[in-house]
Amino acid sequence: EAGVTQFPSHSVIEKGQTVTLRCDPISGHDNLYWYRRVMGKEIKFLLHFVKESKQDESGMPNNRFLAERTGGTYSTLKVQPAELEDSGVYFCASSQARINEKLFFGSGTQLSVL
Amino acid sequence: GDSVTQMEGPVTLSEEAFLTINCTYTATGYPSLFWYVQYPGEGLQLLLKATKADDKGSNKGFEATYRKETTSFHLEKGSVQVSDSAVYFCALRKTGGTSYGKLTFGQGTILTVHP
Repeated sequence: EAGVTQFPSHSVIEKGQTVTLRCDPISGHDNLYWYRRVMGKEIKFLLHFVKESKQDESGMPNNRFLAERTGGTYSTLKVQPAELEDSGVYFCASSQARINEKLFFGSGTQLSVL
Repeated sequence: GDSVTQMEGPVTLSEEAFLTINCTYTATGYPSLFWYVQYPGEGLQLLLKATKADDKGSNKGFEATYRKETTSFHLEKGSVQVSDSAVYFCALRKTGGTSYGKLTFGQGTILTVHP
């Protein structure tokens, strides 16, 4: 069974540009989460999808970040325009629709904004 | 708000040494507590968890006990191996709410084990 897959693994862009990160969850997992780790600090929650609906987006830092999950399968996280402080590792995780179901994480996308 | 504090790293040990990585938390109510591990080039994996006070989570020789009185969840292993080299993250999940995968993480501790 394939795990959670994230594309690209690395992205280097200039300040002001747009970047789109993609996450393919494990097939059949209704829950999809985005997290990010900035500057080697703690990993912070960004948002949670249940199928195609946003269940909780309280961690989204500002309106430069847009997350979508059309059709309830893969998800994209777009940063537009990117700022220097957006650099970090963006993780995606998925789980089945059960209470206390454990999370399966992707290996992350390393984003560098220069 | 909720927070998790881990001991500063990196931690460097020789093979077969005893490991302790300290973790303390601040949260209201009775959160669930977790240790996740990230091996080089991979995603985070759940290592162990505990859902109530005095519970002990264990896996792969690692153990952690949920201590309500000291708000701690320290990770221990009696004899580490080179293959244990990784980044370890302590995390909590609040009780209630509907986002069961919404975790609060610590900053991570890098562990390097030498032969």
